[in-house]
Amino acid sequence: EDQVTQSPEALRLQEGESSSLNCSYTVSGLRGLFWYRQDPGKGPEFLFTLYSAGEEKEKERLKATLTKKESFLHITAPKPEDSATYLCAVQAESGGYQKVTFGTGTKLQVIP
Amino acid sequence: NAGVTQTPKFRVLKTGQSMTLLCAQDMNHEYMYWYRQDPGMGLRLIHYSVGEGTTAKGEVPDGYNVSRLKKQNFLLGLESAAPSQTSVYFCASRQPTGGREDTEAFFGQGTRLTVV
Repeated sequence: EDQVTQSPEALRLQEGESSSLNCSYTVSGLRGLFWYRQDPGKGPEFLFTLYSAGEEKEKERLKATLTKKESFLHITAPKPEDSATYLCAVQAESGGYQKVTFGTGTKLQVIP
Repeated sequence: NAGVTQTPKFRVLKTGQSMTLLCAQDMNHEYMYWYRQDPGMGLRLIHYSVGEGTTAKGEVPDGYNVSRLKKQNFLLGLESAAPSQTSVYFCASRQPTGGREDTEAFFGQGTRLTVV
């Protein structure tokens, strides 16, 4: 069974204090790994897709990396507006259907 | 460009009542999905559609039905609501590109449903 585990569940950072969020996964036939940002009361908003081990993508203060077992979302010098829940999801082949499995998220709070 | 719009945003139902949640997308996407999100659990797929007139079951389909009569709309129905269906429901759409299905999904704002 496909599994996605995100850690930590919650993270509190001071503004400017860099850190990383982890997404470890167990799937066969990975097609893609997605990172989304979710603000309270809103739907997830797409950030990145990573397709193969060694791939990296960046957007402003965020950088996502991928290995064969896990992905990291690095946040450099975060600002209060980066506070949100960050969701990881993996897409894999499953009986002719490409199944997407979501993690439970990391709730990030950035304090001014 | 509205993207994905869900109606209603909030609803309270009594046990046994029925209702329909509407999802509309204006991006001409082929694929549409209904998820539920519960505390401590990841988003779980209820039903999905890979094109107009098609529907398929996801992980947690029991107690729900769906229809996709028009490409832009995906309806989620609860025939007889139960307290276990209290949740936040999200609709999403995506467009396969170049034969790939692993493209980004666009989500609606969610419908918060409480069944008492």
